[in-house]
Amino acid sequence: ETGVTQTPRHLVMGMTNKKSLKCEQHLGHNAMYWYKQSAKKPLELMFVYSLEERVENNSVPSRFSPECPNSSHLFLHLHTLQPEDSALYLCASSQDRAGKGETQYFGPGTRLLVL
Amino acid sequence: AQKVTQAQTEISVVEKEDVTLDCVYETRDTTYYLFWYKQPPSGELVFLIRRNSFDEQNEISGRYSWNFQKSTSSFNFTITASQVVDSAVYFCALSEVLSSNTGKLIFGQGTTLQVKP
Repeated sequence: ETGVTQTPRHLVMGMTNKKSLKCEQHLGHNAMYWYKQSAKKPLELMFVYSLEERVENNSVPSRFSPECPNSSHLFLHLHTLQPEDSALYLCASSQDRAGKGETQYFGPGTRLLVL
Repeated sequence: AQKVTQAQTEISVVEKEDVTLDCVYETRDTTYYLFWYKQPPSGELVFLIRRNSFDEQNEISGRYSWNFQKSTSSFNFTITASQVVDSAVYFCALSEVLSSNTGKLIFGQGTTLQVKP
């Protein structure tokens, strides 16, 4: 089993749809992250969870709703998205200890297209 | 403010050439960590290296080497004898503490490397 998995790998949705992205880590880590990567833009951190509690929410619109039921799973619930939300959504995990800049390991991403 | 700058947007080389990817950072922290990641066309970010601010020794791993210079706030990455498989987007990143338990990474804009046969 690879370290961090994401499903689905590709997703096409209309603006009125509701969908969810799933991330699972098999590394025994205690922190998980959602990033957005748009064309020609750097990686944007969206959400951080540490020990299943949300630590940071980077001014993300409410149409994105994260959920972290346990330290191995992270979801991103999507509803009424806009075409500009089309991007690669990357999940990552790390073993955080006292904020010491631990390495983040990334999943393969979900390529989202909003029509 | 924490910031990472990768001034080279795109680099194109011919196979077997050496290539250096530049990374300059700004931080107010005395202890911090620097990273390099590789993103091939498949999209997944692959971890390459993590260095802490107290260790300025250069590191070599096969064809890859990293030059960390605190005096110039730079953490450059060199690929020796480049190969077509090295074609990817490379990201430099800097750690930032969020809380007592966790931190986050500040990424640069990325450098797209194209290695032609």
